Amino acid sequence: DSGVTQTPKHLITATGQRVTLRCSPRSGDLSVYWYQQSLDQGLQFLIQYYNGEERAKGNILERFSAQQFPDLHSELNLSSLELGDSALYFCASSPGGGSYNEQFFGPGTRLTVL
Amino acid sequence: AQKVTQAQTEISVVEKEDVTLDCVYETRDTTYYLFWYKQPPSGELVFLIRRNSFDEQNEISGRYSWNFQKSTSSFNFTITASQVVDSAVYFCALSEGGSGNTPLVFGKGTRLSVIA
Repeated sequence: DSGVTQTPKHLITATGQRVTLRCSPRSGDLSVYWYQQSLDQGLQFLIQYYNGEERAKGNILERFSAQQFPDLHSELNLSSLELGDSALYFCASSPGGGSYNEQFFGPGTRLTVL
Repeated sequence: AQKVTQAQTEISVVEKEDVTLDCVYETRDTTYYLFWYKQPPSGELVFLIRRNSFDEQNEISGRYSWNFQKSTSSFNFTITASQVVDSAVYFCALSEGGSGNTPLVFGKGTRLSVIA
């Protein structure tokens, strides 16, 4: 158990809908990262927050947005969902914001868009 | 741009065999960090090791060992006396540290199957 929690574990929804994925980092970790894992794209970095501020951005679609709250939990919002958004979404956390930090991953949220 | 290549898509070995998972990376930065993660069938990603570009010492942790060679831009992972519980997808990853914060870039992963 990494100490990172993600809810829900599974999510099934329809095209065009909007969903929110939630992540609680390990106690004391200030950085939260979001990743998407799909069969064709592999593990792709989406976005990083450090202590409430956006720190780095990857290949995150405009339909997706995220935020980190004062209690350091984070939410990833996915809107206007398409079939291709079906994937495993991971949240990870690390103590600091630098690239040298090892990241500890949550169990993931499996999103299925029908 | 940074890139990680794991040429072995799938490897199958018999229990107790040794197995090496290859990882080749590309970066223009002189400061960078290499990682290995394990993804067992249950799906979570488990951190295994981090090395920085200034430390080429090989590392051993139980049955696991890592060989970092800057001359060939490789960071290979060897499991000695493999066990069924080692069956998983293993990812090599790279982040650059010289010019600020850069995201973790993962290879495509190597699926290891250890057969009893």
